[in-house]
Amino acid sequence: QTVVTQEPSLTVSPGGTVTLTCASTTGAVTSGHYSNWFQQKPGQAPTSLIYNTINRHSWTPARFSGSLVGGKAALTLSGVQPEDEGEYYCLLYYGGAQLGVFGGGTKLTVL
Amino acid sequence: EVQLVESGGGLVKPGGSLRLSCAASGFTFSDAWMSWVRQAPGKGLEWVGRIKSKIDGTTTDYAAAVKGRFTISRDDSRNTVFLQMNSLQIEDTGVYYCAVLLSRGYWGQGTLVTVSS
Repeated sequence: QTVVTQEPSLTVSPGGTVTLTCASTTGAVTSGHYSNWFQQKPGQAPTSLIYNTINRHSWTPARFSGSLVGGKAALTLSGVQPEDEGEYYCLLYYGGAQLGVFGGGTKLTVL
Repeated sequence: EVQLVESGGGLVKPGGSLRLSCAASGFTFSDAWMSWVRQAPGKGLEWVGRIKSKIDGTTTDYAAAVKGRFTISRDDSRNTVFLQMNSLQIEDTGVYYCAVLLSRGYWGQGTLVTVSS
């Protein structure tokens, strides 16, 4: 069974930079996993931030960036704002976008 | 404005069935690969499955946890995607979201499914 792993929690100061990662038990994450990143705040539906590893949606602030780092998918927030606090999920696709698997989520605290 | 509106959630007994609908507007529905994602109370997101567009063969794929019990279908004439859920189990309880993932990034607000005796 494929498992996608994220840091359970991270804390960052306002204005700081933080990187969230997304690893796969099957091996290195590549562009072929079409990694996606989502933000979810309590009581709300998720919102999409990044698709296909590096691409922002039109509504995604420029301080969010996606990449591959050390065999993992990564989401970097630069110049963190208080409103960035929330839960962040990655989604990886396997078998040429046939099967999707979410990571367990990272709770980001801005303090 | 893009809208995805889920409906059909509710309370059902274990072993029962439920059919969710998701009405889409504001984008070309027939081109879109439509996904279902669920979230158990207090837990993370779980990919349920996806149906491709007609031009891509209307192929469906499912997570192992629901394969054989859940079926996704679409009606492009009504801009609607469906999730037929059979043999429901307590662990299927949660909010079910309709979404257009990858390059679109659209999400509905979700509909709550509760499986309980």
